[in-house]
Amino acid sequence: NAGVTQTPKFQVLKTGQSMTLQCAQDMNHNSMYWYRQDPGMGLRLIYYSASEGTTDKGEVPNGYNVSRLNKREFSLRLESAAPSQTSVYFCASSLRTSPNTGELFFGEGSRLTVL
Amino acid sequence: TQLLEQSPQFLSIQEGENLTVYCNSSSVFSSLQWYRQEPGEGPVLLVTVVTGGEVKKLKRLTFQFGDARKDSSLHITAAQPGDTGLYLCAGAGSNYQLIWGAGTKLIIKP
Repeated sequence: NAGVTQTPKFQVLKTGQSMTLQCAQDMNHNSMYWYRQDPGMGLRLIYYSASEGTTDKGEVPNGYNVSRLNKREFSLRLESAAPSQTSVYFCASSLRTSPNTGELFFGEGSRLTVL
Repeated sequence: TQLLEQSPQFLSIQEGENLTVYCNSSSVFSSLQWYRQEPGEGPVLLVTVVTGGEVKKLKRLTFQFGDARKDSSLHITAAQPGDTGLYLCAGAGSNYQLIWGAGTKLIIKP
């Protein structure tokens, strides 16, 4: 079972470049999330989508945009990458529609370095 | 702002020893989850505790939710190398957010 699949797993960008992180889940989950993980800071929510057609800002949305393409797919876009966006990005999904209930299923992560 | 503080940040012990990891806050949470994350992978849910004072056991792991639902602990008995990983707690806070602790990095040496 694939679960949550993220691409790419690794990416190096120069400051100012743009890129999109792709995420797909095959569990028919309602909600999907994008988190970033930085050393010593835990996981911070960037954006989430409680259901197909809706997106909401999380704790650290600045510099990012998202698209819930359909029930399966949720992408994260960096329009003009900055070194502060160097991080490991995780996509997650949940059967529940609220971010603070239910089990989150995570992808393997995408390690992004911005030079 | 709701915060969750985990301690210790790092723990390295010998196989067979016992250990406890703590997750503390001044805020009340409606529930609290514990996840384990291995290098190069995403976190995986271990347990969810909901009721104040609740104790849940998962083989050698014992999870407890504080009576006031502000804190939680994870106790591992007779730790094994397979327990190595980053342990994260996450509390269900207000505004429908999950509040994450920074994690405890655990290394069990054979």
